[in-house]
Amino acid sequence: NAGVTQTPKFQVLKTGQSMTLQCAQDMNHEYMSWYRQDPGMGLRLIHYSVGAGITDQGEVPNGYNVSRSTTEDFPLRLLSAAPSQTSVYFCASSYKAGLYEQYFGPGTRLTVT
Amino acid sequence: TQLLEQSPQFLSIQEGENLTVYCNSSSVFSSLQWYRQEPGEGPVLLVTVVTGGEVKKLKRLTFQFGDARKDSSLHITAAQPGDTGLYLCAGPNQAGTALIFGKGTTLSVSS
Repeated sequence: NAGVTQTPKFQVLKTGQSMTLQCAQDMNHEYMSWYRQDPGMGLRLIHYSVGAGITDQGEVPNGYNVSRSTTEDFPLRLLSAAPSQTSVYFCASSYKAGLYEQYFGPGTRLTVT
Repeated sequence: TQLLEQSPQFLSIQEGENLTVYCNSSSVFSSLQWYRQEPGEGPVLLVTVVTGGEVKKLKRLTFQFGDARKDSSLHITAAQPGDTGLYLCAGPNQAGTALIFGKGTTLSVSS
């Protein structure tokens, strides 16, 4: 099993550009989520999904969109990149929501200039 | 709002020393998890504690969940350079739909 995979590993965007961060898992997990990690801020939840076709907002959803058309994939779209979105983004999955181990991908380091 | 506060924020020690890091909240959590994150990687689960007063041991790491389920601690005995990393505590929100993370403790162990 590959676990949770994320692409790209690194990305540089100009302000106003859009892009999609890809996330896939091969563990048939129902629950998937996106976090951003900034120095001194810990992990902050952006969006999450409890199953295919169901998504909801987390703590910091503004400027991001998600969809979950399949169990395996959970892409994160930046609509119009801003310097404040410079961060490391982690995708995670777990068997279900709640008290289950979260499996994290290796992260995407995004810089917006 | 459920918050998890971790202390200290940074810890730099010599190999062989013991240390304790803390995770505190004013809210009751049904359970808490501890993750370790190494540079350039995603966090990896170390342990889940679910019962107030519970103590779990993982080799040189001892995890404790407070009796009131508002706090947890991680004690490392005889720290090694391989213990270096960011230690994060996390707990489920009240709806059980998301994990709330603390800001973490960055541990550096030098030989």
